[in-house]
Amino acid sequence: ELKVEQNPLFLSMQEGKNYTIYCNYSTTSDRLYWYRQDPGKSLESLFVLLSNGAVKQEGRLMASLDTKARLSTLHITAAVHDLSATYFCAVDPGLFSGTASKLTFGTGTRLQVTL
Amino acid sequence: EAGVAQSPRYKIIEKRQSVAFWCNPISGHATLYWYQQILGQGPKLLIQFQNNGVVDDSQLPKDRFSAERLKGVDSTLKIQPAKLEDSAVYLCASSLDRGTGTGYTFGSGTRLTVV
Repeated sequence: ELKVEQNPLFLSMQEGKNYTIYCNYSTTSDRLYWYRQDPGKSLESLFVLLSNGAVKQEGRLMASLDTKARLSTLHITAAVHDLSATYFCAVDPGLFSGTASKLTFGTGTRLQVTL
Repeated sequence: EAGVAQSPRYKIIEKRQSVAFWCNPISGHATLYWYQQILGQGPKLLIQFQNNGVVDDSQLPKDRFSAERLKGVDSTLKIQPAKLEDSAVYLCASSLDRGTGTGYTFGSGTRLTVV
């Protein structure tokens, strides 16, 4: 059974600081997604990482994928208050699982950026 | 393009009552998913449809939950009878084809409160 773990679960950081959220998963996978969720809202897609070594950047967020280590990171550069939200990684085991495509989510990281 | 539509947005019911949620996926998306998100947790897959056939319902509590997708388009998820622990947000998502890497689109969700 695929397990997806994120750490930290909660992160409080000051504006202007850098930090990294980690996502570990237990079985081979070729696709990893990062989502943002604001309180009371649905999931907003941030990044889709499709291969080993993939790196994507959007504004102050950068995501990377290491399929050999089964690890993805979401790096935050010079945080601003607007980035406060909960961030989820989700893994699609895809072809490796022999099953239909679907997402297994991590526990989420609640990010609070203070002024 | 129009997003994934869900209704109602909110529902409050008493335990042992029944409730139904509706989802209209993005036009042309063959795969439809229902996720349950309990407060403070990541979404958990309940059921997955490919067109109008069930692909995965291994985590659906079948003694009280049921779902259908008529004509491979709209879907309904029903709970009967509801329990207190069913209080959660129920998210519907759809995807076109994993081969394109376009990922998954989530609806706004239905927030269910069982009292």
